[in-house]
Amino acid sequence: AQSVTQLGSHVSVSEGALVLLRCNYSSSVPPYLFWYVQYPNQGLQLLLKYTTGATLVKGINGFEAEFKKSETSFHLTKPSAHMSDAAEYFCAVSVNNNNDMRFGAGTRLTVKP
Amino acid sequence: KAGVTQTPRYLIKTRGQQVTLSCSPISGHRSVSWYQQTPGQGLQFLFEYFSETQRNKGNFPGRFSGRQFSNSRSEMNVSTLELGDSALYLCASSLGTSGANEEQFFGPGTRLTVL
Repeated sequence: AQSVTQLGSHVSVSEGALVLLRCNYSSSVPPYLFWYVQYPNQGLQLLLKYTTGATLVKGINGFEAEFKKSETSFHLTKPSAHMSDAAEYFCAVSVNNNNDMRFGAGTRLTVKP
Repeated sequence: KAGVTQTPRYLIKTRGQQVTLSCSPISGHRSVSWYQQTPGQGLQFLFEYFSETQRNKGNFPGRFSGRQFSNSRSEMNVSTLELGDSALYLCASSLGTSGANEEQFFGPGTRLTVL
């Protein structure tokens, strides 16, 4: 069965600093990987997704993630944090033709001025 | 294009009662999935409906059920509520025809509190 593990339930960075949110996946078949963001009292919004092809995926709001099969990782990065990036971030995986998406526990990002 | 809407946004019930939550997907989307979000268990998949049929199911007891109507709107029902059912229930819609790499669009959720 597929699953994801997010390392670090809380990450704090200063405004302008690099953002790195870690995600490792477990899957017996080629996975589809997603990063979602959730702002307070809102639903989830897709930041980016990896399906096939290019391993470096660019998303919205300046975020990107790199699929590394050898490390079973899909870490999310942003070169320069902005105050508006403060939110909870979820890594997710799905496989085959299944809309059963499995989410990580989430990482709460705090951005300090 | 209007997003996914969920009603009601907030709900308070007591143990033993039942509750029905509603989700209206984005126009043209035929797949509706439901998720439960709690601080302890995180986001967990409940079930997915496509063209009025349950297509996938998570690992939840039979007290949790759902249905989908011909216009793709979906309802989720929880019977004999327990304190542990207090959660944010999220609905997500997608086209439903492109497999696991489809983007799911999430609604704002219904926050259910069981007293």
